[in-house]
Amino acid sequence: SQELEQSPQSLIVQEGKNLTINCTSSKTLYGLYWYKQKYGEGLIFLMMLQKGGEEKSHEKITAKLDEKKQQSSLHITASQPSHAGIYLCGADSNTGNQFYFGTGTSLTVIP
Amino acid sequence: KAGVTQTPRYLIKTRGQQVTLSCSPISGHRSVSWYQQTPGQGLQFLFEYFSETQRNKGNFPGRFSGRQFSNSRSEMNVSTLELGDSALYLCASSLGLAGVRSYNEQFFGPGTRLTVL
Repeated sequence: SQELEQSPQSLIVQEGKNLTINCTSSKTLYGLYWYKQKYGEGLIFLMMLQKGGEEKSHEKITAKLDEKKQQSSLHITASQPSHAGIYLCGADSNTGNQFYFGTGTSLTVIP
Repeated sequence: KAGVTQTPRYLIKTRGQQVTLSCSPISGHRSVSWYQQTPGQGLQFLFEYFSETQRNKGNFPGRFSGRQFSNSRSEMNVSTLELGDSALYLCASSLGLAGVRSYNEQFFGPGTRLTVL
């Protein structure tokens, strides 16, 4: 089965600081999704990356996909308390019959 | 468009009982997937239904089952509940068109928190 390892596991940053979350796959990536979850709630879709080298941005969040390294990174610029939550990467299995989520990164932003 | 809704939001059951959770997808979405989230195992895929048929299945025992109705609404059933079934159960809907990855963006409901005593 595919494994998605995220690092760091948790992150505490001061408001205004930049931060990066990484997601590394044990197998070839066929597209990579990023989600955000408020504690105990559903997931909010952030971005989907389909091709190697692809980079997408939405407001202060930028995600990149490095297919060769089987990795994706999520970068938040000038973090705000509203960015706090759990960030999860997700990917389809190579057969497309399952969807896997990463181990999650808990982000706390201190005002 | 209304989002994905799940009912009930909270549920308390005892061991050995069974439970049924409901999920109403976004209008027009034909795929509904179910996930279990626990602190120890994280988010794990249970199964996916598309056009009333189970299309994909994760690695869960047969106590976990589901179905989908003609209006795409889906239910998930867990029989003979165990303490370890305590979790947040999330459902997600998508267009679910095979081979078109960009149409597989999943929209999640708020989840049902199941506590087994």
